[in-house]
Amino acid sequence: GAVVSQHPSRVICKSGTSVKIECRSLDFQATTMFWYRQFPKKSLMLMATSNEGSKATYEQGVEKDKFLINHASLTLSTLTVTSAHPEDSSFYICSASLRLGQIKEQFFGPGTRLTVL
Amino acid sequence: DQQVKQNSPSLSVQEGRISILNCDYTNSMFDYFLWYKKYPAEGPTFLISISSIKDKNEDGRFTVFLNKSAKHLSLHIVPSQPGDSAVYFCAASLWRGTYKYIFGTGTRLKVLA
Repeated sequence: GAVVSQHPSRVICKSGTSVKIECRSLDFQATTMFWYRQFPKKSLMLMATSNEGSKATYEQGVEKDKFLINHASLTLSTLTVTSAHPEDSSFYICSASLRLGQIKEQFFGPGTRLTVL
Repeated sequence: DQQVKQNSPSLSVQEGRISILNCDYTNSMFDYFLWYKKYPAEGPTFLISISSIKDKNEDGRFTVFLNKSAKHLSLHIVPSQPGDSAVYFCAASLWRGTYKYIFGTGTRLKVLA
């Protein structure tokens, strides 16, 4: 149980285009999902917290107009990288939060490798 | 401001020996800590966690120790196996807060056969 999928796993796009990444919780409902970004050999940096039915909460320094997040249902959150540029190339990972007893655990997706040419 | 740090970027250990990965944090409000294993181009895989009310949690070959006064936690893997070779991240969270995870910088473990 507690499986999270991401689609696509890998995407290459031209500079200036927009790219949408989907994050799905396959066997549970997640009121909260998180989006992370990982640069090569670096830590996972939290970008935003996505809450179902409400606006996402962005971390300091993350442009909300650049990284559009939509959490339309309890099993799906999407991250759209708008007008992508080469510096947006990165590994994007989502997680979905599930309450287990008193604790809300995060379960991570397999990640999406974005390359902007 | 790196609130969670792993000061050793890499570690090599002989198969069968103990691997000790360390993690330090600065925010005394963190009350839940986790360790994740990650392979390149994959999402993190949960290993083990510990709440701040405990100082030790054990699960098979993995044991996490928490020293709150020192704001330090460590992951012990014994015996180490070649399949343990990966990047290990510690993460800290506020149990009753936003449930956000703050990840450390990672330690690359290499277990030599």
